[in-house]
Amino acid sequence: QKEVEQNSGPLSVPEGAIASLNCTYSDRGSQSFFWYRQYSGKSPELIMSIYSNGDKEDGRFTAQLNKASQYVSLLIRDSQPSDSATYLCAVNGVGNFNKFYFGSGTKLNVKP
Amino acid sequence: GAVVSQHPSWVICKSGTSVKIECRSLDFQATTMFWYRQFPKQSLMLMATSNEGSKATYEQGVEKDKFLINHASLTLSTLTVTSAHPEDSSFYICSPCTDTQYFGPGTRLTVL
Repeated sequence: QKEVEQNSGPLSVPEGAIASLNCTYSDRGSQSFFWYRQYSGKSPELIMSIYSNGDKEDGRFTAQLNKASQYVSLLIRDSQPSDSATYLCAVNGVGNFNKFYFGSGTKLNVKP
Repeated sequence: GAVVSQHPSWVICKSGTSVKIECRSLDFQATTMFWYRQFPKQSLMLMATSNEGSKATYEQGVEKDKFLINHASLTLSTLTVTSAHPEDSSFYICSPCTDTQYFGPGTRLTVL
C-alpha cells in the first residue's frame, strides 16, 4: 500500500470554478501535511501546509485535514488557467518527521 | 522559505559517463539534504539523505556505489551519477532538511 494516494486525474474545471483535490495517507502518526504545485519541467513549489484538523485558508487556497479519516484536501477557489499544474500531496514520515512521502500527484486543467 | 540552487539545470551526456550535480543552500546552513528523483509523470522518490561530514543514507533499492553523495560543507551537497545509463535519465531535485520541504530548481539529466 502506498503511503500517500492521489487521483492522477486529469481534473478539468472551468475558469472561475472551485477545484477540489484529494489525498489519503496510510500512517496515522503523520503530523505534517503539505500541498505542492508543480508545473511541467519545474520543481515543486509549496502552496500550503497544515498540521491540525480542520480548515486552513490562504488566499484562494483552502487546505482541509481530517486525521481520523486520514484525509487531506485542497480547494482552489476562482480557478485560473495559471493554476493548471500537477498538485502533489506530501505527508511526513512516522518516526522520522523530516522524511516526507509524496503522492503521485493530480493533474489539474483549468479551461478558459 | 529556504533558497536552494542547483547546477547544472540540465545536462545531456553519453552512456557510461559520470555526471555531478551540485546543490547549494544560499541563505542558511543545511546539515542534512534530501535527494529526490522524479521520472516522467511519476512522483518524487527519495533517493538518499546526505549529512554534513558523514556518510549518506540511501533508500532501499538505490545503489550507493552508483549515486555518490558528498556533503562536505553546510552549504553544498553533491550527487554524482556514475557510469550513467539511459534508465538514469530523470529529474533530480535536492531539498534541505527543514520543518517544511523546499526544493531546489532541479536538474534534468538525459543520458543518450
